[in-house]
Formats: sequence, C-alpha cells, structure tokens
Amino acid sequence: QSVLTQPPSASGTPGQRVTLSCSGSSSNIGSNTVNWYQQLPGTAPKLLIYTNDQRPSGVPDRFSGSKSGTSASLAISGLQSEDEADYYCAAWDDSLNAYVFGTGTKVTVL
Amino acid sequence: QVQVVESGGGLVKPGGSLRLACAASGFTFSDYYMSWIRQAPGKGLEWVSYISTTSIYTNYADSVEGRFIISRDNAKNSLYLQMNSLRVEDTAVYYCARDLTGPGSFWGQGTLVTVSS
Repeated sequence: QSVLTQPPSASGTPGQRVTLSCSGSSSNIGSNTVNWYQQLPGTAPKLLIYTNDQRPSGVPDRFSGSKSGTSASLAISGLQSEDEADYYCAAWDDSLNAYVFGTGTKVTVL
Repeated sequence: QVQVVESGGGLVKPGGSLRLACAASGFTFSDYYMSWIRQAPGKGLEWVSYISTTSIYTNYADSVEGRFIISRDNAKNSLYLQMNSLRVEDTAVYYCARDLTGPGSFWGQGTLVTVSS
C-alpha cells in the first residue's frame, strides 16, 4: 500500500494537455521534493522530473512538474502518441525513512 | 555511453539466497549513489535500497531490512544485492539505478527474480 496516491488512469487526444496528480502527506511531499518517472511499455523507468519541476537533459519541455503543500502534479502539454506510458511520482518519506513511489498512472492517448 | 547492466536473477525456492550484480560503464562509478528498485509482475515500483559513494551510508525498505544487503566495489565498477531468506513476495524485476533522484539518473533494464517452490 503506497503512501503516495495517484489516479490509476488518464487519457487525452493528441495535442491535448493532461495533468496527473500525486497526493501525499506532511512526511513525504510536504517536507521533501518530488520526482516523476516515466515507464514506456516493456521498458525500464526513466527520470522525467526531479526536484519538483526540473527536467533532466533530453526531456521535452512539454513535461512540467509542480508541487503545492502535500500534493504534486505532472502536466503533459501537446500530448503525443509516444507519451503512452505509466507515470510514477516519488519522494522521500521522513516517517518511513524510505523512498516511496506513487501507485502510478497509466496514460492513454486516444 | 552510460550503461548499467544487471545480472544474477533466476528461479529460487522460498528461503533461498541469490546475489544480484550491476556492472557499470561509461561513467565514474565512484561519483554516484546507487540504488536498487524492484517491480513485481504487473505492479508498481518499489524502492529497495541505496548505497552512498564510499559505502558509508546504506538504507533499506522495511520489507527487505535484515534480509538483503547492498554493497559496491568501486574498483570493479559494480553494485551488488545479496538477497537472503527470499519470499514469494520478493518475486520481481530488480533494477539498478544511478543517481535515482537527480539529473544524472540512469536505470538498467532489470533482472527477473522468481521465488517459487
């Protein structure tokens, strides 16, 4: 049972903007930075956003992250077919003394 | 180019042991924290453990604490995970990752561990 809650699914048509949510608590998102990972079908995950809103080199600026209080969001603008993937939020949890992943959201491009 | 390649997975009986290895190349291995993350079939990601650059700091998920041991050999550019007292619920693909939370993050393709009688 993950301490970071994400909706199981989200969808949009090509070109649309999709926003994924991640809900936590004061011991994780509320006091630590949030990272987002993308897992394309059949592949290993990769870091998409770090420290709430920073993109590693090579990640398109269509992806953006934000954090407010005990929640975080990942926005995908100009949705493309290759964005179909599972997306996971993650943060350090001070109470658990562990790095915790969210439950994951599967994004479908209609 | 940067590469991390896991090995050592396989089928093991409950209560058995297995040692995973992660061979790194294309970067200065000793500069980076390293982590293990696992993913049970059809499930989400679960962080397992991390180790600091000089092995001074390690940390484990409660689910593996006392059973798994993470280690590294900077001279051999290798990361290890010694898994003891394996349980059915340890069945998963195990990923090795460089710099799990920073801009230098890089994951391997994983190795499958199956615990079954």
